[in-house]
Amino acid sequence: GQNIDQPTEMTATEGAIVQINCTYQTSGFNGLFWYQQHAGEAPTFLSYNVLDGLEEKGRFSSFLSRSKGYSYLLLKELQMKDSASYLCAVRTYGGSQGNLIFGKGTKLSVKP
Amino acid sequence: DAGVIQSPRHEVTEMGQEVTLRCKPISGHDYLFWYRQTMMRGLELLIYFNNNVPIDDSGMPEDRFSAKMPNASFSTLKIQPSEPRDSAVYFCASSDQDRGVGETQYFGPGTRLLVL
Repeated sequence: GQNIDQPTEMTATEGAIVQINCTYQTSGFNGLFWYQQHAGEAPTFLSYNVLDGLEEKGRFSSFLSRSKGYSYLLLKELQMKDSASYLCAVRTYGGSQGNLIFGKGTKLSVKP
Repeated sequence: DAGVIQSPRHEVTEMGQEVTLRCKPISGHDYLFWYRQTMMRGLELLIYFNNNVPIDDSGMPEDRFSAKMPNASFSTLKIQPSEPRDSAVYFCASSDQDRGVGETQYFGPGTRLLVL
């Protein structure tokens, strides 16, 4: 079966650093995506990893270990606007481009 | 670009009624996806199209659900008859494979469906 696990909720303080973990067990692997979703809005793309290692993009970084089936999203210098749900998604080999299988998301609350 | 456009944004209907959700993908994108999001199950893929052809509909819950893509700029998701358990946010997303395997999907604003 396909399984993606993330913590349900996390709380952090403005200006701090937070790490959101994601573990996956899928029948195939062709890349891992992180999306941000503010309440009542659509998911928006944050990052993509297909090889092991760290991808940095401004205040956000994403790490992947394919052998461990593990990724994390690192958010630095947290701002109040970072309060949102963060969705981990794995693209499998199914289909020409492959489906994205989403985790249920981690709701991050940033406190002053 | 206007992004992915969905209509209606909100729909309230009674059990047994037919519901039609509409989507216009980003111009030039050759993949279109329909998702459903609930608190219990998260974001689930229902069906996706490539060049207007359905590729994988294994996520469609049952025969009450159907989706079409008559041309590259329009798709519909129909529920007939609707049931209260269909209440969810339905997202349409599109992508362009030619831009590489790292190309993401772009989501529309979603349709919030409430079936009473």
